[in-house]
Amino acid sequence: AQSVAQPEDQVNVAEGNPLTVKCTYSVSGNPYLFWYVQYPNRGLQFLLKYITGDNLVKGSYGFEAEFNKSQTSFHLKKPSALVSDSALYFCAVKNDYKLSFGAGTTVTVRA
Amino acid sequence: GAGVSQSPSNKVTEKGKDVELRCDPISGHTALYWYRQSLGQGLEFLIYFQGNSAPDKSGLPSDRFSAERTGGSVSTLTIQRTQQEDSAVYLCASSLARLQGAKNIQYFGAGTRLSVL
Repeated sequence: AQSVAQPEDQVNVAEGNPLTVKCTYSVSGNPYLFWYVQYPNRGLQFLLKYITGDNLVKGSYGFEAEFNKSQTSFHLKKPSALVSDSALYFCAVKNDYKLSFGAGTTVTVRA
Repeated sequence: GAGVSQSPSNKVTEKGKDVELRCDPISGHTALYWYRQSLGQGLEFLIYFQGNSAPDKSGLPSDRFSAERTGGSVSTLTIQRTQQEDSAVYLCASSLARLQGAKNIQYFGAGTRLSVL
């Protein structure tokens, strides 16, 4: 079975500081990995995906993620966090058509 | 439309009543998915449609849950004889045809928040 894990329930950072949200995966075969963000009372918004190719993937709103095969990780990063980045972040792995999500990480960026 | 549209946005019902949740996917998207988001279970896959057929219903939690899709567009998720444990946010997503399978991005609606009293 394919799965992802988000080891941190919450991440707190100051505005302007780097932001990292961790994700590790367990798959058989090639991993198809995604990051989504959810703002209060909103659906999930796609940020970025890794299918193949460069290990550093750039996405929306200045986010990027680094695929690390040896560590089976796909951490989400932003060099300089904004207060508006405060939200719930989900890592997911896709098996053909089905997304399997991590438990989510709540990010709080303080001014 | 521009995005995935779900209605109603909120639904409060009494235990034992039936409810219908609607999803209108992005125009041209032939694949449609239902997920459920609850505090205890996180985000769970419920069902997948390709066109009007549902090749995978494995995530439906019980036979009280059913879904259909007509005209390759709008989908309805029906919950019969609702129970309190059905309270959750029901999310719908759509994507392009399954030509590239796992590479396709699923785009989500804002969800329907169901509260069963």
